[in-house]
Amino acid sequence: AQSVTQPDIHITVSEGASLELRCNYSYGATPYLFWYVQSPGQGLQLLLKYFSGDTLVQGIKGFEAEFKRSQSSFNLRKPSVHWSDAAEYFCAVGATGGFKTIFGAGTRLFVKA
Amino acid sequence: DTAVSQTPKYLVTQMGNDKSIKCEQNLGHDTMYWYKQDSKKFLKIMFSYNNKELIINETVPNRFSPKSPDKAHLNLHINSLELGDSAVYFCASSQGRGGQTEAFFGQGTRLTVV
Repeated sequence: AQSVTQPDIHITVSEGASLELRCNYSYGATPYLFWYVQSPGQGLQLLLKYFSGDTLVQGIKGFEAEFKRSQSSFNLRKPSVHWSDAAEYFCAVGATGGFKTIFGAGTRLFVKA
Repeated sequence: DTAVSQTPKYLVTQMGNDKSIKCEQNLGHDTMYWYKQDSKKFLKIMFSYNNKELIINETVPNRFSPKSPDKAHLNLHINSLELGDSAVYFCASSQGRGGQTEAFFGQGTRLTVV
């Protein structure tokens, strides 16, 4: 069965600074990987996804993530954070042929002025 | 046009009551889900339907009963509500197998049991 770990419960960065949110997954084959964002009082919205091919994936809102098989990681990055990026970020992993997507516990991002 | 809509957005009710949450998607997707998000933001799948067939039924008390009258609708009925049922419930949909495709989420229903 697949699993996903987000080691950081919360992270605080200054506006304009770079951001990296960590995600580690466990799955026997090549996983389907996702990053979602949840703004307060809202549902989850997909930022980006990785299925195969180029290991550096571009998403919406200036986010990107890099798949590293050797480290079982799929970290999310943004070069310059905006105050509107403050939200909860979820990494998720899905299985080939499966219906279930497993979500990490989430990382809450705080942005300070 | 809202892609995945849930009603109501807020639900406050007393212990022991029965309540329903409705979900509709207009994306033409064939798979729909119910997730529960607890106070620590942990998101756990409860049920999934594919073409009106129940395909995921996690360890959920049988007080929770999903119903899918058609591919575009998935409702959640909860009997004999308990304090521990307080959470945010999200409906979602996807095209095809959920583990391999993007899910579209509703705005959530915040259920408070008092």
